[in-house]
Amino acid sequence: DQQVKQNSPSLSVQEGRISILNCDYTNSMFDYFLWYKKYPAEGPTFLISISSIKDKNEDGRFTVFLNKSAKHLSLHIVPSQPGDSAVYFCAASGNEKLTFGTGTRLTIIP
Amino acid sequence: SQTIHQWPATLVQPVGSPLSLECTVEGTSNPNLYWYRQAAGRGLQLLFYSVGIGQISSEVPQNLSASRPQDRQFILSSKKLLLSDSGFYLCAWRASGSVQYFGPGTRLTVT
Repeated sequence: DQQVKQNSPSLSVQEGRISILNCDYTNSMFDYFLWYKKYPAEGPTFLISISSIKDKNEDGRFTVFLNKSAKHLSLHIVPSQPGDSAVYFCAASGNEKLTFGTGTRLTIIP
Repeated sequence: SQTIHQWPATLVQPVGSPLSLECTVEGTSNPNLYWYRQAAGRGLQLLFYSVGIGQISSEVPQNLSASRPQDRQFILSSKKLLLSDSGFYLCAWRASGSVQYFGPGTRLTVT
């Protein structure tokens, strides 16, 4: 049972435009949501997070939106830069653990 | 500041051989520690986590085991590797809050 889903395995965006990565979850007990960025052969790095009591959190070019009624969160990157090309994982927190989605490979086209 | 180390960085082992991967964390006390595996083209699968010395919770039944002999040391082991154990192994730590911080990973290839 996959509790956290990223239905788009890949996404290509022109440099300077907005990148939108999506994530859906099924467990309403999750209380915190996170996005990680991962380059090949490296560990994931924490990007941005949001508590379940909020609907938006912003940090520079990165904004995460949470729609609890739809059990959906999204990561917006504006403007997209070539260095943003990586795999992005969403994760949901509950019971001392994180449950990860399968990732979306973002490619920024110069 | 906190630092997490994993070694070795890469490992090639024959089927049936033993395994020992080590993870250590510096700059924090009593962290939660986690082992994940990323198989080729897949997401991050939680294997084990520990909330304290000697306390191990297993998430996926398999031929791997974990131990935490010291507060900031986490070891992943196997007595006999299978081909399906190939993957990218990641250690992570968490002090407070929900954010986990990951190490650089170990690429394991079982031949």
